[in-house]
Amino acid sequence: DIQMTQSPSSLSASVGDRVIITCQASEDISNYLNWYQQKPGKAPRLLIYEASNLDTGVPSRFSGSGSGTDFTFTITSLQPEDIATYYCQQYENLPTFGQGTRLEIK
Amino acid sequence: EVQLVESGGGLVQPGRSLRLSCAASGFTFDDYAMDWVRQAPGKGLEWVSGISWNSGRIGYGDSVKGRFTISRDNAKNSLYLQMNSLRVEDTALYYCVRGRYDDVFDIWGQGTMVTVSS
Repeated sequence: DIQMTQSPSSLSASVGDRVIITCQASEDISNYLNWYQQKPGKAPRLLIYEASNLDTGVPSRFSGSGSGTDFTFTITSLQPEDIATYYCQQYENLPTFGQGTRLEIK
Repeated sequence: EVQLVESGGGLVQPGRSLRLSCAASGFTFDDYAMDWVRQAPGKGLEWVSGISWNSGRIGYGDSVKGRFTISRDNAKNSLYLQMNSLRVEDTALYYCVRGRYDDVFDIWGQGTMVTVSS
């Protein structure tokens, strides 16, 4: 199985801050990587697919980049409604998720 | 409205079986792969199983292989997960998920809780 390692596991930031989360794959996954947002008590929501494509209706402050084994997820200006846990997921092989990054407001 | 509604969860003893169902609406069901993803209480997401649009390709996570069986009925717009030989560690919220381009999980149900306990 392909292992996905997310960093950091938790993060505290202020409204308006730039937030960066990284995800590293244990082997080359090309651009077969998605990012999801999960708010407390809710189902996950797809934000980014194929590493850098914003899903329909997702605010433009969210973005993704990377290919191969190293990927980055960025929120350019943190908003209060962005408080959630974020997961990366690869689908080069059978799908696997990263362990999640819990984002809190400072 | 595109919607996935899971059912069939509950409390079950270790070693017993349970069958989950997912009713899809608002989209052409047989245009998409479908998957099950679970989340143990307070934990992260774990992919359980997936099935292609015509059931020609099926996959399972290592932790459920040989015990769980995924299936679908395109005429009924429904997805199923037959879970046998349940273990305490199978306790989780089970999400039914639509797979765009197979494994881009773009629509999620609200989940059905499975608790395995004696």
